[in-house]
Amino acid sequence: EVQLLESGGGLVQPGGSLRLSCAASGFTFNLYAMTWVRQAPGKGLEWVSSITSSGTITYYAASVRGRFTISRDNSKSTLFLQMNSLRADDTAVYYCAKGCGTDCGILESWGQGTLATVSS
Amino acid sequence: EIVLTQSPGTLSLSPGERATLSCRAGQSVNSMRLAWYQQRHGQAPRLLIYGASSRAAGIPDRFSGSGSGTDFTLTISRLEPEDFAVYYCQQYGSSVYTFGQGTRLEIK
Repeated sequence: EVQLLESGGGLVQPGGSLRLSCAASGFTFNLYAMTWVRQAPGKGLEWVSSITSSGTITYYAASVRGRFTISRDNSKSTLFLQMNSLRADDTAVYYCAKGCGTDCGILESWGQGTLATVSS
Repeated sequence: EIVLTQSPGTLSLSPGERATLSCRAGQSVNSMRLAWYQQRHGQAPRLLIYGASSRAAGIPDRFSGSGSGTDFTLTISRLEPEDFAVYYCQQYGSSVYTFGQGTRLEIK
Protein backbone atom coordinates (compact mmCIF):
# COMPACT_ATOMS: atom_id res chain seq x y z
CA GLU A 1 0.00 0.00 0.00
CA VAL A 2 1.32 3.43 -0.99
CA GLN A 3 1.80 5.74 1.98
CA LEU A 4 2.87 9.37 1.88
CA LEU A 5 3.42 11.17 5.19
CA GLU A 6 4.06 14.90 5.15
CA SER A 7 5.66 16.78 8.01
CA GLY A 8 7.36 20.09 8.74
CA GLY A 9 4.42 22.45 8.65
CA GLY A 10 3.80 25.04 11.32
CA LEU A 11 3.55 28.72 12.09
CA VAL A 12 6.20 31.03 10.64
CA GLN A 13 6.50 34.80 10.33
CA PRO A 14 6.43 36.54 6.95
CA GLY A 15 9.88 36.38 5.39
CA GLY A 16 10.70 33.18 7.25
CA SER A 17 11.44 29.67 6.05
CA LEU A 18 10.02 26.18 6.40
CA ARG A 19 11.21 22.81 5.13
CA LEU A 20 8.52 20.27 4.37
CA SER A 21 9.22 16.56 4.13
CA CYS A 22 7.24 13.69 2.65
CA ALA A 23 8.20 10.17 3.70
CA ALA A 24 7.15 7.60 1.11
CA SER A 25 6.61 3.85 1.46
CA GLY A 26 4.88 1.00 -0.33
CA PHE A 27 6.41 1.62 -3.75
CA THR A 28 9.80 1.96 -5.45
CA PHE A 29 10.34 5.64 -4.77
CA ASN A 30 13.15 6.20 -7.29
CA LEU A 31 10.91 5.20 -10.21
CA TYR A 32 8.30 7.90 -9.79
CA ALA A 33 8.03 11.64 -10.21
CA MET A 34 6.75 13.50 -7.17
CA THR A 35 4.73 16.69 -6.79
CA TRP A 36 3.70 19.23 -4.16
CA VAL A 37 0.19 20.68 -4.36
CA ARG A 38 -1.22 23.23 -1.92
CA GLN A 39 -4.68 24.32 -0.86
CA ALA A 40 -5.29 27.64 0.87
CA PRO A 41 -8.09 27.64 3.46
CA GLY A 42 -11.43 27.33 1.71
CA LYS A 43 -9.84 27.46 -1.75
CA GLY A 44 -9.07 25.08 -4.59
CA LEU A 45 -5.99 23.05 -5.43
CA GLU A 46 -2.86 24.81 -6.66
CA TRP A 47 0.11 23.01 -8.17
CA VAL A 48 3.38 24.12 -6.54
CA SER A 49 6.29 22.06 -7.84
CA SER A 50 7.28 18.70 -9.33
CA ILE A 51 10.47 16.67 -9.68
CA THR A 52 11.34 13.77 -11.94
CA SER A 53 12.19 10.36 -10.55
CA SER A 54 15.95 10.91 -10.77
CA GLY A 55 15.70 14.42 -9.37
CA THR A 56 17.47 15.94 -12.36
CA ILE A 57 14.52 17.99 -13.64
CA THR A 58 12.33 20.26 -11.53
CA TYR A 59 9.28 22.38 -12.32
CA TYR A 60 7.79 25.30 -10.39
CA ALA A 61 4.66 27.39 -10.44
CA ALA A 62 5.34 31.04 -11.21
CA SER A 63 4.03 32.01 -7.76
CA VAL A 64 6.85 30.15 -5.96
CA ARG A 65 9.72 30.13 -8.48
CA GLY A 66 12.86 31.58 -6.93
CA ARG A 67 11.55 31.13 -3.37
CA PHE A 68 10.81 27.40 -3.12
CA THR A 69 13.11 24.47 -3.91
CA ILE A 70 11.96 20.90 -4.44
CA SER A 71 14.38 18.03 -3.91
CA ARG A 72 14.40 14.34 -3.10
CA ASP A 73 16.60 11.77 -1.39
CA ASN A 74 15.99 8.49 -3.19
CA SER A 75 18.14 6.59 -0.70
CA LYS A 76 15.68 7.60 2.03
CA SER A 77 12.48 7.63 -0.05
CA THR A 78 11.84 11.21 1.01
CA LEU A 79 10.65 14.30 -0.84
CA PHE A 80 11.37 17.82 0.35
CA LEU A 81 10.13 21.34 -0.21
CA GLN A 82 12.32 24.17 1.04
CA MET A 83 10.20 27.30 1.35
CA ASN A 84 11.96 30.66 1.78
CA SER A 85 10.76 34.27 1.84
CA LEU A 86 7.35 33.09 2.92
CA ARG A 87 4.32 35.35 2.49
CA ALA A 88 0.86 35.34 3.98
CA ASP A 89 -0.58 33.97 0.73
CA ASP A 90 1.62 30.86 1.07
CA THR A 91 -0.61 29.78 3.97
CA ALA A 92 -2.07 26.46 2.93
CA VAL A 93 -2.22 22.73 3.44
CA TYR A 94 0.64 21.26 1.44
CA TYR A 95 0.10 17.81 -0.07
CA CYS A 96 2.74 15.58 -1.59
CA ALA A 97 1.61 13.31 -4.39
CA LYS A 98 3.07 10.39 -6.35
CA GLY A 99 3.16 10.64 -10.12
CA CYS A 100 2.36 7.82 -12.53
CA GLY A 101 5.90 7.38 -13.86
CA THR A 102 9.37 8.85 -14.10
CA ASP A 103 8.12 12.21 -15.43
CA CYS A 104 4.37 11.84 -15.23
CA GLY A 105 2.00 14.40 -13.81
CA ILE A 106 -1.03 12.24 -13.14
CA LEU A 107 -1.16 12.21 -9.35
CA GLU A 108 -1.98 8.65 -8.37
CA SER A 109 -1.64 8.86 -4.60
CA TRP A 110 -1.75 11.72 -2.12
CA GLY A 111 -0.66 12.26 1.46
CA GLN A 112 -2.93 13.77 4.08
CA GLY A 113 -1.15 17.12 4.00
CA THR A 114 0.69 19.41 6.39
CA LEU A 115 -0.47 22.92 7.26
CA ALA A 116 1.88 25.85 6.84
CA THR A 117 0.69 29.14 8.34
CA VAL A 118 2.48 32.39 7.56
CA SER A 119 1.49 35.09 10.00
CA SER A 120 2.98 37.64 12.35
CA GLU B 1 0.05 28.18 -19.18
CA ILE B 2 -3.14 26.30 -20.01
CA VAL B 3 -6.11 27.61 -18.05
CA LEU B 4 -8.80 25.07 -17.13
CA THR B 5 -12.31 26.39 -16.48
CA GLN B 6 -14.80 24.11 -14.77
CA SER B 7 -18.56 24.46 -14.88
CA PRO B 8 -20.83 24.72 -13.14
CA GLY B 9 -19.25 26.09 -9.97
CA THR B 10 -21.86 24.30 -7.88
CA LEU B 11 -24.19 21.49 -8.94
CA SER B 12 -27.19 20.59 -6.77
CA LEU B 13 -28.60 17.12 -7.40
CA SER B 14 -30.29 14.28 -5.53
CA PRO B 15 -28.95 10.76 -4.91
CA GLY B 16 -29.72 8.53 -7.89
CA GLU B 17 -29.52 11.38 -10.40
CA ARG B 18 -26.93 11.79 -13.13
CA ALA B 19 -24.18 14.41 -12.79
CA THR B 20 -22.33 15.99 -15.69
CA LEU B 21 -19.29 18.14 -14.93
CA SER B 22 -17.42 20.15 -17.54
CA CYS B 23 -13.76 21.14 -17.87
CA ARG B 24 -12.80 23.50 -20.69
CA ALA B 25 -9.19 24.29 -21.58
CA GLY B 26 -7.91 27.58 -22.96
CA GLN B 27 -5.95 25.65 -25.58
CA SER B 28 -5.77 22.06 -26.72
CA VAL B 29 -4.73 19.52 -24.08
CA ASN B 30 -3.09 16.16 -24.68
CA SER B 31 -5.87 13.82 -23.54
CA MET B 32 -3.32 11.44 -22.03
CA ARG B 33 -2.40 14.26 -19.63
CA LEU B 34 -5.89 15.11 -18.38
CA ALA B 35 -7.14 13.81 -15.02
CA TRP B 36 -10.06 14.22 -12.63
CA TYR B 37 -9.86 14.16 -8.83
CA GLN B 38 -12.43 13.96 -6.07
CA GLN B 39 -11.99 15.72 -2.74
CA ARG B 40 -14.39 14.91 0.04
CA HIS B 41 -14.73 17.36 2.90
CA GLY B 42 -11.68 17.29 5.16
CA GLN B 43 -9.88 14.71 3.05
CA ALA B 44 -7.02 14.67 0.60
CA PRO B 45 -7.88 14.53 -3.10
CA ARG B 46 -7.96 11.15 -4.83
CA LEU B 47 -7.49 10.26 -8.47
CA LEU B 48 -10.67 9.23 -10.29
CA ILE B 49 -9.90 9.41 -14.01
CA TYR B 50 -6.63 9.63 -15.95
CA GLY B 51 -5.95 9.92 -19.65
CA ALA B 52 -9.33 11.68 -19.88
CA SER B 53 -11.32 8.43 -19.82
CA SER B 54 -9.55 5.68 -17.84
CA ARG B 55 -10.76 4.91 -14.33
CA ALA B 56 -8.15 4.71 -11.60
CA ALA B 57 -7.86 1.57 -9.51
CA GLY B 58 -10.83 0.96 -7.26
CA ILE B 59 -13.05 3.65 -8.79
CA PRO B 60 -16.65 2.50 -9.34
CA ASP B 61 -17.90 2.22 -12.91
CA ARG B 62 -20.57 4.86 -12.33
CA PHE B 63 -17.72 7.36 -12.87
CA SER B 64 -16.73 7.98 -16.48
CA GLY B 65 -14.67 10.55 -18.34
CA SER B 66 -14.75 11.70 -21.93
CA GLY B 67 -13.58 14.44 -24.23
CA SER B 68 -10.63 15.65 -26.23
CA GLY B 69 -8.93 18.84 -27.37
CA THR B 70 -10.37 21.60 -25.21
CA ASP B 71 -13.56 20.03 -23.84
CA PHE B 72 -13.68 17.29 -21.22
CA THR B 73 -16.51 15.83 -19.17
CA LEU B 74 -16.81 13.82 -15.97
CA THR B 75 -20.08 11.92 -15.65
CA ILE B 76 -21.45 10.18 -12.57
CA SER B 77 -24.27 7.98 -13.77
CA ARG B 78 -26.21 7.47 -10.51
CA LEU B 79 -25.19 9.56 -7.55
CA GLU B 80 -24.45 7.84 -4.25
CA PRO B 81 -24.34 9.78 -0.97
CA GLU B 82 -20.55 9.52 -0.83
CA ASP B 83 -20.22 11.21 -4.25
CA PHE B 84 -21.15 14.63 -2.91
CA ALA B 85 -17.78 16.34 -2.90
CA VAL B 86 -15.63 18.76 -4.89
CA TYR B 87 -14.23 17.65 -8.25
CA TYR B 88 -11.15 19.04 -10.00
CA CYS B 89 -9.78 18.55 -13.47
CA GLN B 90 -6.02 18.81 -13.99
CA GLN B 91 -3.58 18.76 -16.88
CA TYR B 92 0.19 18.68 -17.13
CA GLY B 93 2.61 19.51 -19.91
CA SER B 94 5.33 21.93 -21.01
CA SER B 95 6.75 22.09 -17.47
CA VAL B 96 3.50 23.38 -15.97
CA TYR B 97 0.62 21.64 -14.25
CA THR B 98 -2.75 23.33 -13.84
CA PHE B 99 -5.96 22.58 -11.96
CA GLY B 100 -9.43 23.82 -12.66
CA GLN B 101 -11.11 25.83 -9.93
CA GLY B 102 -13.37 22.92 -8.97
CA THR B 103 -17.04 21.98 -9.12
CA ARG B 104 -18.87 21.47 -5.84
CA LEU B 105 -21.47 18.71 -6.06
CA GLU B 106 -24.03 19.20 -3.29
CA ILE B 107 -27.14 17.40 -2.18
CA LYS B 108 -30.35 19.03 -3.34
